[in-house]
Amino acid sequence: QLQLQESGPGLVKPSETLSLTCTVSGGSISSSGFYWGWIRQPPGKGLEWIGHIYYSGSTYYSPSLESRVTVSVDTSKNQFSLKLSSVTAADTAVYYCARRSVTNLWIEYFDYWGQGILVTVSS
Amino acid sequence: SSELTQDPAVSVALGQTVRITCQGDSLRNYFASWYQQKPGQAPILVIYGKNNRPSGIPDRLSGSSSGDTASLTITGAQAEDEADYYCYSRDNRGNHRVFGGGTKLTVL
Repeated sequence: QLQLQESGPGLVKPSETLSLTCTVSGGSISSSGFYWGWIRQPPGKGLEWIGHIYYSGSTYYSPSLESRVTVSVDTSKNQFSLKLSSVTAADTAVYYCARRSVTNLWIEYFDYWGQGILVTVSS
Repeated sequence: SSELTQDPAVSVALGQTVRITCQGDSLRNYFASWYQQKPGQAPILVIYGKNNRPSGIPDRLSGSSSGDTASLTITGAQAEDEADYYCYSRDNRGNHRVFGGGTKLTVL
């Protein structure tokens, strides 16, 4: 059974960089056809897609976050990571990592999710 | 603002049928997937593609699509269906993705 687990600091100071890692177990991050994504959810609000990455390194980012986001992959550790720079209180959220599966060009979905990690931006 | 529009809240009587909708131009080209989220838990996938359910999702949940609107229908709603539901799809700007704003379902 595939499992994903987020890790990283739960508290980040304003203007600093948020860094999170997602460790994948029970399957290979290098498996063909799967992307690995980050989604966040501010307290009491909805889900927001941040971006995703293929094991080869191809990335796609939300246009609203693109200038501050970097997603990277480490296939040797079966992990992928998120960096979000210049954070403010508005970046306080539960951050989820998830696997994005694709059936064809028109059908894609997140079928495995981590439990989520709350990151608070505060001095 | 989200490019996928959902009603913020919907209610249904126990055992009755409810439809949760998701509207957006990109849904003319791409299928939506649907996620159920209960308080304090991560979202789980409940519907993807035309009308596909992952293993373990009850068949009272079903999906459909017409024009620019995708729908999640719960036939014979149960108390355990009370949750927030989100749609997700690719958008028409190329390689970007988007979630709907979510619908809070209350089972009365």
